[in-house]
Amino acid sequence: EAGVVQSPRYKIIEKKQPVAFWCNPISGHNTLYWYLQNLGQGPELLIRYENEEAVDDSQLPKDRFSAERLKGVDSTLKIQPAELGDSAVYLCASSLPGGGTGELFFGEGSRLTVL
Amino acid sequence: QKEVEQDPGPLSVPEGAIVSLNCTYSNSAFQYFMWYRQYSRKGPELLMYTYSSGNKEDGRFTAQVDKSSKYISLFIRDSQPSDSATYLCAMSSGSSASKIIFGSGTRLSIRP
Repeated sequence: EAGVVQSPRYKIIEKKQPVAFWCNPISGHNTLYWYLQNLGQGPELLIRYENEEAVDDSQLPKDRFSAERLKGVDSTLKIQPAELGDSAVYLCASSLPGGGTGELFFGEGSRLTVL
Repeated sequence: QKEVEQDPGPLSVPEGAIVSLNCTYSNSAFQYFMWYRQYSRKGPELLMYTYSSGNKEDGRFTAQVDKSSKYISLFIRDSQPSDSATYLCAMSSGSSASKIIFGSGTRLSIRP
């Protein structure tokens, strides 16, 4: 069974440029998460989807970050414009419906460097 | 104060040693406790999963939860160089609306 797939694995951009990350969750996993992981820190939730509905986006900086999950499968996370402080790893995870019990399956992450 | 506190390490032990990793937390509503392992430049993977208090054993790994002290532990017996990774504790209240809160991770190195 294929795991959570993310792309690109690495992205280097200059500040003020836009960037987008893509995630394909495990088949049958209705719940999808985007996490931010800074160096030496644990993942922090940006947004959680149940199917195509964003049920928790309270930690998403909406002035520059946006996300979508069309058709309730793949998801895209966008930053526009990027700032130096956005340099981090962006992790996508999926789980069975609900997901509150914590059994998450993570992708390998998209590592962003903003120059 | 963070909801979940974890010793950052780094922790370096010789091969074969018993490793103890710990987290404390402040939210008494947490019912589900997890340990994730994260290798360098990889995503976290679920290692152990425990509901409420007690012990759970899986091969060389034992997870302990003490809800009265708000303290969880992961023990690794007969540690191997392949166990070298960052270990993240995580916890949740378990409701469909609840967030999963991660610790900052402990970096572990097993010396051959």
